[in-house]
Amino acid sequence: EVQLVESGGGLVQPGRSLRLSCAVSGLTFSDYWMHWVRQAPGKGLEWLSRINDDDSDTSYADSVKGRFIISRDNAKNTVYLQMNSLRADDTAVYYCSADPLQSTARIFDYWGLGTQVTVSS
Amino acid sequence: SLDLTQPPSVSVSPGQTASIPCFGDGLGDKYACWYQQKPGQSPVLVMYQDSKRPSGIPERFSGSNSGNTATLTISGTQAMDEADYYCQAWDSSIAVFGGGTKLTVL
Repeated sequence: EVQLVESGGGLVQPGRSLRLSCAVSGLTFSDYWMHWVRQAPGKGLEWLSRINDDDSDTSYADSVKGRFIISRDNAKNTVYLQMNSLRADDTAVYYCSADPLQSTARIFDYWGLGTQVTVSS
Repeated sequence: SLDLTQPPSVSVSPGQTASIPCFGDGLGDKYACWYQQKPGQSPVLVMYQDSKRPSGIPERFSGSNSGNTATLTISGTQAMDEADYYCQAWDSSIAVFGGGTKLTVL
């Protein structure tokens, strides 16, 4: 069974940092690109970032570029999201998603349950 | 940049066909995906590459994409299909989601 388990969320003050982790099991981690997607309370889905299978290429949404950093450790089957200079509008549930390398087009095939991040003083 | 627009809500009677559109300039030149999200749950991929169903997704789900419109169609809609549906496409290396459509089965 494929499992993606996010952790590291919580309550943080504006301007501070937080690092999210997503531990993946049940699939060959290095055969997947990985993404972070968030959902603000009562709002829709917002893609944030992705990293390719061998950690050689990343991309970011404009809303987080320069503040968030995605990385992965294939030995630990884990993807990370370092979030810096957090703002109130970063408050959301953060999901990680796995995207099979073999897919003709990029898709969000597997999703975690999400971790809540609340930015407030 | 790519902008995807969806109607906020669509209603359908049980057993009838629901169509959920997603509008975007040149969307037909890209692959569209659709995600279903039920309250308190994570999204689930229900359609990819415009019209392909992932394993485990019922045959009543189908998709199309042409011109500026991608459409998710649910035939013989069931109460369990009530959910939010999001279209998604790629604008170069950036993923774009539509605002979501709440499907009500009543």
